[in-house]
Amino acid sequence: QKEVEQDPGPLSVPEGAIVSLNCTYSNSAFQYFMWYRQYSRKGPELLMYTYSSGNKEDGRFTAQVDKSSKYISLFIRDSQPSDSATYLCAMSATGGGNKLTFGTGTQLKVEL
Amino acid sequence: EADIYQTPRYLVIGTGKKITLECSQTMGHDKMYWYQQDPGMELHLIHYSYGVNSTEKGDLSSESTVSRIRTEHFPLTLESARPSHTSQYLCASSPLPLGGNTEAFFGQGTRLTVV
Repeated sequence: QKEVEQDPGPLSVPEGAIVSLNCTYSNSAFQYFMWYRQYSRKGPELLMYTYSSGNKEDGRFTAQVDKSSKYISLFIRDSQPSDSATYLCAMSATGGGNKLTFGTGTQLKVEL
Repeated sequence: EADIYQTPRYLVIGTGKKITLECSQTMGHDKMYWYQQDPGMELHLIHYSYGVNSTEKGDLSSESTVSRIRTEHFPLTLESARPSHTSQYLCASSPLPLGGNTEAFFGQGTRLTVV
């Protein structure tokens, strides 16, 4: 079983929709949670970072962590065609060991 | 925008050829990484380096090798390419070891096809 599970999609939504992207994980040692965005033919770039449980908001993006359920979410409000990309969750444990564990990524398409 | 560059972007090569994928960063980061990414699969760490003359194998076994003679340069070599090596290879760097709140800066990737 994978340490991090993420629905690969593709997910297609109309412009302006609220998008919810999710990952579940099995390793209770994970403390740091990240969302990377990867445009087609590009490398991933860090979008949001959250430590432990709670919410973090940055513009149209909100990251949520529920450690009790081992579940993290990324919400995108007022989605735009420019949000069309693959979104990868990544997480690491305290001390890290130089390791990020990634999900498979969810492909999102926002249509006009 | 992160200053980490990979060349070539795309490479199609015959079985048995030796290839080197180049990765350079101008941010002065000590830590550098190579990930392998296949469609629908998660990124897998295949090599990393803490600094000059430091190289370590990652979680995913790989027949490739790496070297770190200069801080800014972290090339990956396959001595004899095989179709099973077909994949996307992503290079990354970070100012501190990954884990915790350290961001990894990725290059644009090299898409390798071995025929």
